[in-house]
This record gives sequence, C-alpha cells and structure tokens, in this order.
Amino acid sequence: GQQVKQSSPSLTVQEGGILILNCDYENDMFDYFAWYKKYPDNSPTLLISVRSNVDKREDGRFTVFLNKSGKHFSLHITASQPEDTAVYLCAAGSNTGYQNFYFGKGTSLTVIP
Amino acid sequence: EAGVTQSPRYAVLQEGQAVSFWCDPISGHDTLYWYQQPRDQGPQLLVYFRDEAVIDNSQLPSDRFSAVRPKGTNSTLKIQSAKQGDTATYLCASSSGTDFSNERLFFGHGTKLSVL
Repeated sequence: GQQVKQSSPSLTVQEGGILILNCDYENDMFDYFAWYKKYPDNSPTLLISVRSNVDKREDGRFTVFLNKSGKHFSLHITASQPEDTAVYLCAAGSNTGYQNFYFGKGTSLTVIP
Repeated sequence: EAGVTQSPRYAVLQEGQAVSFWCDPISGHDTLYWYQQPRDQGPQLLVYFRDEAVIDNSQLPSDRFSAVRPKGTNSTLKIQSAKQGDTATYLCASSSGTDFSNERLFFGHGTKLSVL
C-alpha cells in the first residue's frame, strides 16, 4: 500500500494568502518528515524537514507541523507568492541505520497574483 | 561539487524494447535511490542501495526491471521489455548515509521515458 498520502491533488490560493498542505503516513516507525518542492521539468528539491523529536519547525514563511499520534504532518505557507506555484511533495522515512524515503503523489499549488 | 548525473535525458521506445538508465551520484554519497515518477504523480521508490548492497527492491517489478551498483558508486537501472505503463520519469537520488543529521536527497534531472 501507499506509505505516504497527500489528500489534495491541487490547491489554488490568492497571492498573500495562507495555505495548508496535508500529508498522512502509514508506518509509525517513520522518524523523519520532509516537504520537497518541484517546478515543471525540474527535479524535486528539499524545502523543509523535521525529525520526530520535535512537533514543529519554522523556516521563514514555511512551517512544518508534526502530529505523530495521528500519523500526520502538514506544511503551512504564509504570505503566499506567485513563485510558490509548484508541486509540493511530502516524504517520510525511517533513519534506523538505513535511510529510506517514501513520497506522496504531490499537491499542485497555484498562487494567483 | 557536481550534482547527481543521469543519462540519457530522454528515451523513446516501442513496447518490448530494452533500455538502460545510468546514474552517477554525488561523490561520497553511499546511499543511492531509483524512483519512478509517472506524469502528475510523486516519485515512487523502486530500489535503493547502501554502497553496493540492495537494501529494498520490493517495489521493483523483478520480471522486467533490474538494478545494479557493482562498485558502490555508479548505478544502472534496466528495463528488459518495456510496456506502455512504464512511461514515466526515472529519477536517481543520492544521500550521505553516514551523517544521520543530513537526510537531504539530491536528485538528478531524471530520464523521461516514453513507451509507444
């Protein structure tokens, strides 16, 4: 089965708005959670990540919230900008000796100027 | 520092043909991943290596797909008899497995495969 699931295939927001991207995972052994950003015809690049020993990490306009008991994490983007338009991929994995990462199918975000 | 290099960038095949994809990871990265990314979907893990050893290939269709990393550096992913359903971008990624505080994956540009 799919290890990591993103509930929304696409989202649209007005410039300046706040948005939340959601991700659910299956394996409660996962201890590393990340969001990758992908522009068309480019490879995914890491946006922000968090380890399981914290429930929140903030980096500028981007914040990851982790809910381990609910096997859920989310990405909050504030003051959205047109350059945020991209596909956002959540990923989760286990760092127990060997690293493996599983990605969600992605959420296509459009920020309207 | 050079990034992850993949070749070819594009491949177009007829069903039943074979194709190989090549990946050169970042120097010193001991973990290498192959992902399949169908259009409009996220990357799906096919196989990953730690050095030359296969750690997880449970998602690799073993009847037609194979992957090797004989010296723990470069890797080759091969499709023996391609099907239309294999149409996707094949991404290679690497990471440094020795530093558990650094779990960033570095992706190559990918090989875009079309099977007609």
